Amino acid sequence: KNQVEQSPQSLIILEGKNCTLQCNYTVSPFSNLRWYKQDTGRGPVSLTIMTFSENTKSNGRYTATLDADTKQSSLHITASQLSDSASYICVVTINAGNMLTFGGGTRLMVKP
Amino acid sequence: DAGVIQSPRHEVTEMGQEVTLRCKPISGHDYLFWYRQTMMRGLELLIYFNNNVPIDDSGMPEDRFSAKMPNASFSTLKIQPSEPRDSAVYFCASSHHPRTGAGEQYFGPGTRLTVT
Repeated sequence: KNQVEQSPQSLIILEGKNCTLQCNYTVSPFSNLRWYKQDTGRGPVSLTIMTFSENTKSNGRYTATLDADTKQSSLHITASQLSDSASYICVVTINAGNMLTFGGGTRLMVKP
Repeated sequence: DAGVIQSPRHEVTEMGQEVTLRCKPISGHDYLFWYRQTMMRGLELLIYFNNNVPIDDSGMPEDRFSAKMPNASFSTLKIQPSEPRDSAVYFCASSHHPRTGAGEQYFGPGTRLTVT
């Protein structure tokens, strides 16, 4: 069964600190992996998309890594801000990329 | 562009009633997706269209759910009859897939459905 597991389920950090969110997947055949940010009451917004040949991709203070051999990805947030408080969802697509398998998300809270 | 537009933003209805959710995708996008999000199950793909044609509806939970896309700028998701377990946030997303791979999906703000 295709699965995407994220950890931790929730995380609280202080403003200015860094954090790393993890994503393990068993989806096959792999097409690409995406990280989404979802603010409360809003739809998910894409942060990064990586194909199997990409090891890392950055979007401002967000850096995603991918190890296609171990089927693991991480999202690193640098110098966190209060506005980073949100759910972060790892999404893996198969085949042509239309079928998305979603992780359960990590709920991040950044405190002042 | 205004992004993906969904209506209504909130819907409260009684069990047994028909519910219709609406979506206007981003102009020029040829794929449209309907998702459901709950605390227990997270985000689930219900159905997606390509060029107004339903491609995969394997995620549609029951025959009570149906979706249509009569033209490139409008889609509906209908639940008839509705049940309390249908309470969730329903998202519509659209994308334009380049020939070489999957395109970015842009999500609407969602419709929060409560069935009492």
